[in-house]
Amino acid sequence: GQNIDQPTEMTATEGAIVQINCTYQTSGFNGLFWYQQHAGEAPTFLSYNVLDGLEEKGRFSSFLSRSKGYSYLLLKELQMKDSASYLCAPSSGGSYIPTFGRGTSLIVHP
Amino acid sequence: DADVTQTPRNRITKTGKRIMLECSQTKGHDRMYWYRQDPGLGLRLIYYSFDVKDINKGEISDGYSVSRQAQAKFSLSLESAIPNQTALYFCATSDSGQGGTGELFFGEGSRLTVL
Repeated sequence: GQNIDQPTEMTATEGAIVQINCTYQTSGFNGLFWYQQHAGEAPTFLSYNVLDGLEEKGRFSSFLSRSKGYSYLLLKELQMKDSASYLCAPSSGGSYIPTFGRGTSLIVHP
Repeated sequence: DADVTQTPRNRITKTGKRIMLECSQTKGHDRMYWYRQDPGLGLRLIYYSFDVKDINKGEISDGYSVSRQAQAKFSLSLESAIPNQTALYFCATSDSGQGGTGELFFGEGSRLTVL
């Protein structure tokens, strides 16, 4: 199985930067996904890291350290619409199917 | 129109009833999945299928069955629903082809309440 740990809830101010951490323990690691899920909606893909380092995509960046079993999602210039749950999902084994963490609920306030 | 469509979107039923949730996709993906989501527990995999003749159990398959009727259709059945199967159910697809990240594309969800 996989142990995935991410904070349950975070709050931040509009315009600020927030970092959501995720640690995982898994065998046969392939890569790590981040998904965003607004309340009552389906998750949507944000990023996928295979190699160590930072992947930047607009206001969102994702970092991976395979040796440490650690990833973070960095959100810059926060907007109210960024209030959502952020799901860390490492994939492993030959099937490449991601296993989801419980998610971090991010609340952005004015 | 959504690429991954789930029906019904909402269903209230009684304990012991048989329920089928249907999923169809127009993305041409070979892989399909059923997840359930409960508050505080995240998304958990019920069943997955890598092609029409391939069905695999996920983390929490007890009490569920699936059918992959065609590449584009994957249905989830609860033979005898019980209250702890009350949850939000998501169908998802992915492409195993070269060059894809294997990212999942989710349907809009089916909210099931078992009384």
